[in-house]
Amino acid sequence: EIVLTQSPGTLSLSPGERATLSCRASQSVPSNYLAWYQQKPGQAPRLLIYGASSRATGIPDRFSGSGSGTDFTLTISRLESEDFAVYYCQQFGSSPFTFGPGTKVDIK
Amino acid sequence: QVQLVQSGTEVKNPGASVKVSCKASGYTFTRNALHWVRQAPGQRLEWMGWINVGNGNTKYSQKFQGRVTITRDTSASTAYMEVSSLRSEDTAVYYCARDMGLRFPYGMDVWGQGTTVTVSS
Repeated sequence: EIVLTQSPGTLSLSPGERATLSCRASQSVPSNYLAWYQQKPGQAPRLLIYGASSRATGIPDRFSGSGSGTDFTLTISRLESEDFAVYYCQQFGSSPFTFGPGTKVDIK
Repeated sequence: QVQLVQSGTEVKNPGASVKVSCKASGYTFTRNALHWVRQAPGQRLEWMGWINVGNGNTKYSQKFQGRVTITRDTSASTAYMEVSSLRSEDTAVYYCARDMGLRFPYGMDVWGQGTTVTVSS
């Protein structure tokens, strides 16, 4: 099973700042098979990024994904108020399609 | 619009089974795979399994193999996920989610609203 580790656990930032979230895999993940989701309290997750770097439909361009192999990054260039949430990475390289533990981005 | 609508809240005794439905609308049901994901209170998302809605092939997380069954009814554009031998640790919100692909997974772009399952005596 591929284990995903996300860091930091919590990121405290102000609106307008840049957020950099890390996702590290215990084994190499083909880049086509890494996704990022945003989840707000009481809501279902929302797909942000698939294929490590492709934005899903309707996702603002302040969200970007990068990385390959075992190290992936989600960057939010300028935080807006609606971006404060929990972010999960997920790999589809091998079953089970595991999720990371999440990074909470909260308001400083 | 594209949406997945799940069945309502369930409360079950330990040892019982639960079957959650997920009705799709706004797209051709057989063109996308469907996943089931759960989230226990305060915990991370946990992938349970998925179904190729076109041919009915399924794949499950080893953790749930033998206890979870995913099926679909193409005539009703509805998928189902049944969990048997429920225990308290199965208390969670259960989501169905559409994959952008059919044979290969790419990402879950449409999610149901979630179904809360509580297991308690």
